[in-house]
Amino acid sequence: ETGVTQSPTHLIKTRGQQVTLRCSSQSGHNTVSWYQQALGQGPQFIFQYYREEENGRGNFPPRFSGLQFPNYSSELNVNALELDDSALYLCASSLQRRDTQYFGPGTRLTVL
Amino acid sequence: DQQVKQNSPSLSVQEGRISILNCDYTNSMFDYFLWYKKYPAEGPTFLISISSIKDKNEDGRFTVFLNKSAKHLSLHIVPSQPGDSAVYFCAASGGYNSGGSNYKLTFGKGTLLTVNP
Repeated sequence: ETGVTQSPTHLIKTRGQQVTLRCSSQSGHNTVSWYQQALGQGPQFIFQYYREEENGRGNFPPRFSGLQFPNYSSELNVNALELDDSALYLCASSLQRRDTQYFGPGTRLTVL
Repeated sequence: DQQVKQNSPSLSVQEGRISILNCDYTNSMFDYFLWYKKYPAEGPTFLISISSIKDKNEDGRFTVFLNKSAKHLSLHIVPSQPGDSAVYFCAASGGYNSGGSNYKLTFGKGTLLTVNP
């Protein structure tokens, strides 16, 4: 059984650019959540998608947006990148919304 | 306002001894708690969880204790092994028992556990 995968592994962007991060959920999982982990901090909830609909959002501005596709894979899009967006972005999937979330390896984003 | 707190940034124990990692929370709506382990350059790995209707859950060497009145939980690892050396995150979620719709996880800042041979 394949676990949660994320791409790319690392990414370097400049301020003002846009970025798209991708996540493939574990087989059979219909819920995907995205988290941002800054250095020395715990992961912070960005938003959750359940059956292609946004199902809750954390304290992040609208320039953070997402999608979930019919196969339950997901994208995180960030527009107008700022230096503080530099972080590890983690995707987690769960069988159903209330089930345990399993994380991918993350995408390390650096904004210069 | 940090709703989940891990007050010890680091902990060092000898191989074979018990490791006890602590976590406090402030939000009384939390009713499901999890522990994750994280190695550098990897995503968090799920270890063990506990619902607020229980006060203890055990899985092999890992036991989680929940004290709802004190809003405190702890993870015990017995015996500790060098491979347990990692950052441990406590996480909490609300609505698990009440049928809510959003199961976002709120994390603490983590505790770095070092198990010395």
